[in-house]
Amino acid sequence: RKEVEQDPGPFNVPEGATVAFNCTYSNSASQSFFWYRQDCRKEPKLLMSVYSSGNEDGRFTAQLNRASQYISLLIRDSKLSDSATYLCVVNIYTGNQFYFGTGTSLTVIP
Amino acid sequence: NAGVTQTPKFQVLKTGQSMTLQCAQDMNHNSMYWYRQDPGMGLRLIYYSASEGTTDKGEVPNGYNVSRLNKREFSLRLESAAPSQTSVYFCASSDPRDTYSSYEQYFGPGTRLTVT
Repeated sequence: RKEVEQDPGPFNVPEGATVAFNCTYSNSASQSFFWYRQDCRKEPKLLMSVYSSGNEDGRFTAQLNRASQYISLLIRDSKLSDSATYLCVVNIYTGNQFYFGTGTSLTVIP
Repeated sequence: NAGVTQTPKFQVLKTGQSMTLQCAQDMNHNSMYWYRQDPGMGLRLIYYSASEGTTDKGEVPNGYNVSRLNKREFSLRLESAAPSQTSVYFCASSDPRDTYSSYEQYFGPGTRLTVT
């Protein structure tokens, strides 16, 4: 079983829409959680960390549910520039390894 | 401050050839990582180095070797390239402050390797 699983999509949404991605992780000992963004043929870059109480950064809201072992990312008022692949990342402290989901593809349509 | 740099950006090898991918970071990070990214597979950890002088296997280490040359540099070597090693390779670094926390990873621009 994969450590981190995501729906690969693709999600095609109109500008201004709200879209949500979910991610599940298998190891209950997971300690740190992140959402990364990856543009086509580029390196992944941190979008936001995910905190236990949930956190918001502008149009982006991340939630963590430890009981159900899932992480979510909500994007409000989608912009064309939000088109990218969103990677769910989990850190399990066994030598500081990070586990990546396969990514969810988002295309925002004019 | 260049962050994480990788060379080369592109490489084509024939089966059986060897090569070394270079990675350097100028952020004084302790931890460095090598990943490969394949369609539908996500990023998979090949090797990592928690600190200078230490290296450990990740999820897919077979066919690769690494060297943590110093705190800045972490190289990945393919001794005898195979078509299955065709992939995009990313180097990353991070700096966890203590045993029970971790911080974001910073990635290099990637090396696109094709083995024919």
